[in-house]
Amino acid sequence: DVKVTQSSRYLVKRTGEKVFLECVQDMDHENMFWYRQDPGLGLRLIYFSYDVKMKEKGDIPEGYSVSREKKERFSLILESASTNQTSMYLCASSLGLAGGLETQYFGPGTRLLVL
Amino acid sequence: SQQGEEDPQALSIQEGENATMNCSYKTSINNLQWYRQNSGRGLVHLILIRSNEREKHSGRLRVTLDTSKKSSSLLITASRAADTASYFCATVGRGGSNYKLTFGKGTLLTVNP
Repeated sequence: DVKVTQSSRYLVKRTGEKVFLECVQDMDHENMFWYRQDPGLGLRLIYFSYDVKMKEKGDIPEGYSVSREKKERFSLILESASTNQTSMYLCASSLGLAGGLETQYFGPGTRLLVL
Repeated sequence: SQQGEEDPQALSIQEGENATMNCSYKTSINNLQWYRQNSGRGLVHLILIRSNEREKHSGRLRVTLDTSKKSSSLLITASRAADTASYFCATVGRGGSNYKLTFGKGTLLTVNP
């Protein structure tokens, strides 16, 4: 079974802190994704990566950056956390199949509270 | 931008009843997928239906797709309390990034024992 793990289930940070959210997948997947999930807004894509060191902005990249130095690891960075970044963060990965027949495998999520 | 929109936003039924959730989308798709999320957890993939398919089954799940109406439905038969979760449809658009999913806002299903 594919396993996607996230470094923390719950995280509390202060405004202005630099925050790192780590995600690791163990199935040699090409693609990795970071979403945030907020009540009434559903899942929104922040960034995704289709290869090591390659990244592409999603729908809401402002205030975030990402890093993918190794295939199995995808990090989301909040350079200076703000209260409006309080949210549930979900990492996902997918195989990288041609033809668009992609299913994504999700981690358990990190619930971030910025005070 | 959001592609799929689920309907209803919330659904409450008794154990043993069937649950039907609908999803509408706006542009041409490559495929449509349904995911499930238990409270406070990550999403789990349930089923994928391709744009040239009309119906697909997996256990107690039945998915239909009507590309002319740009809509899909998910039917869960003989529901159980353990089916209580949020259900999301997600689409992969034609062209562009064909590995990028666009999710709807979800239907919260509550199955009462």
